[in-house]
Amino acid sequence: DAGVTQSPTHLIKTRGQHVTLRCSPISGHKSVSWYQQVLGQGPQFIFQYYEKEERGRGNFPDRFSARQFPNYSSELNVNALLLGDSALYLCASSLPGDQPQHFGDGTRLSIL
Amino acid sequence: EDQVTQSPEALRLQEGESSSLNCSYTVSGLRGLFWYRQDPGKGPEFLFTLYSAGEEKEKERLKATLTKKESFLHITAPKPEDSATYLCAVHGGQTDKLIFGTGTRLQVFP
Repeated sequence: DAGVTQSPTHLIKTRGQHVTLRCSPISGHKSVSWYQQVLGQGPQFIFQYYEKEERGRGNFPDRFSARQFPNYSSELNVNALLLGDSALYLCASSLPGDQPQHFGDGTRLSIL
Repeated sequence: EDQVTQSPEALRLQEGESSSLNCSYTVSGLRGLFWYRQDPGKGPEFLFTLYSAGEEKEKERLKATLTKKESFLHITAPKPEDSATYLCAVHGGQTDKLIFGTGTRLQVFP
């Protein structure tokens, strides 16, 4: 079975631009979460969506937004990019409840 | 505030030299503790879930244990291919978000 897939794998942007990152969950998983991981740190929670509704939001500015589509895929949007937004953006999907989240290999975003 | 602390930050082992990684946590109402392995340039790979104190899980050379305040990941007779960063995360409270530690970077030398 296919795991969580993310696109693109790498992206280079300049300050002030916006970016859209995409995620396809494991088949049958209706919950999708987004995390930001900077070098040397653990992933930090950004958003969780379940059945197309936002279920949780981390401590990130309003420049970050996300949505989930009827097929349970998801997009993360970041506006007005800053140098500090350079990071690995990870998507995870899971079954409901306290089941483990399974991660994709992320999108490496570099801001120049 | 919910928090996860992992130690040591880095660990160098000789092949076959067993050791343990520590994960201390503070969370209101633990709903699950998760161990992941992360290789450079990759996403975290799920290893284990532990739900209650006293629970243990094993997979090949790895064994995870859980108490009310911490979890240990025991590595028995490690091999170079076990080299990776090991992340601990907890699920707690009313949300489904994972709270991660900063990880332990393990290097196993032949």
